[in-house]
Amino acid sequence: GAGVSQSPSNKVTEKGKDVELRCDPISGHTALYWYRQSLGQGLEFLIYFQGNSAPDKSGLPSDRFSAERTGGSVSTLTIQRTQQEDSAVYLCASSLAQARDGYTFGSGTRLTVV
Amino acid sequence: AQSVTQPDIHITVSEGASLELRCNYSYGATPYLFWYVQSPGQGLQLLLKYFSGDTLVQGIKGFEAEFKRSQSSFNLRKPSVHWSDAAEYFCAVGGLGNKLVFGAGTILRVKS
Repeated sequence: GAGVSQSPSNKVTEKGKDVELRCDPISGHTALYWYRQSLGQGLEFLIYFQGNSAPDKSGLPSDRFSAERTGGSVSTLTIQRTQQEDSAVYLCASSLAQARDGYTFGSGTRLTVV
Repeated sequence: AQSVTQPDIHITVSEGASLELRCNYSYGATPYLFWYVQSPGQGLQLLLKYFSGDTLVQGIKGFEAEFKRSQSSFNLRKPSVHWSDAAEYFCAVGGLGNKLVFGAGTILRVKS
């Protein structure tokens, strides 16, 4: 597509529920990234996918967080048993091949855990 | 590991005045450097990037940035700020690994 598409744009969930956040990257971009932006904070790296390589999961904050990328395109970030501290904006980005190409970001999913 | 410091959390400038946003990085080799802008409720938009060559890079919306290796800095500048420039600005650094590390951001307020 023309840009990186994320859905839903807003999600309110009850503590303890599971949520899935979706990212559809730019067609032809082989790299896909998830970041988390908490209120007043910078961007915290979560996970990175590059082609068919094993993802870099080094930023996932706990085992409640997981992500997959199917067919080298769409990615889903799943948070199990959500906690209030998971409330944040989750940003997805893609790049042509390498980070030095620059990321194109989606508009994000604002997650609120009540 | 790389890191980025944006010393100013908030900056307020008058419309028409010049702007400089500071960014200092830590990285052991020549880094890739970026500036992004985020308007309220939006994702981040790439303003400009540096990874080799001329140390003064031009970006969109009249912004420029200068890479100074001796100072480990990549400050963003604009000669005349417009009210529409009010937003949050993020500096980011990358290296051989493919993920970027972002600074905490600088919120720019423009007063008329």
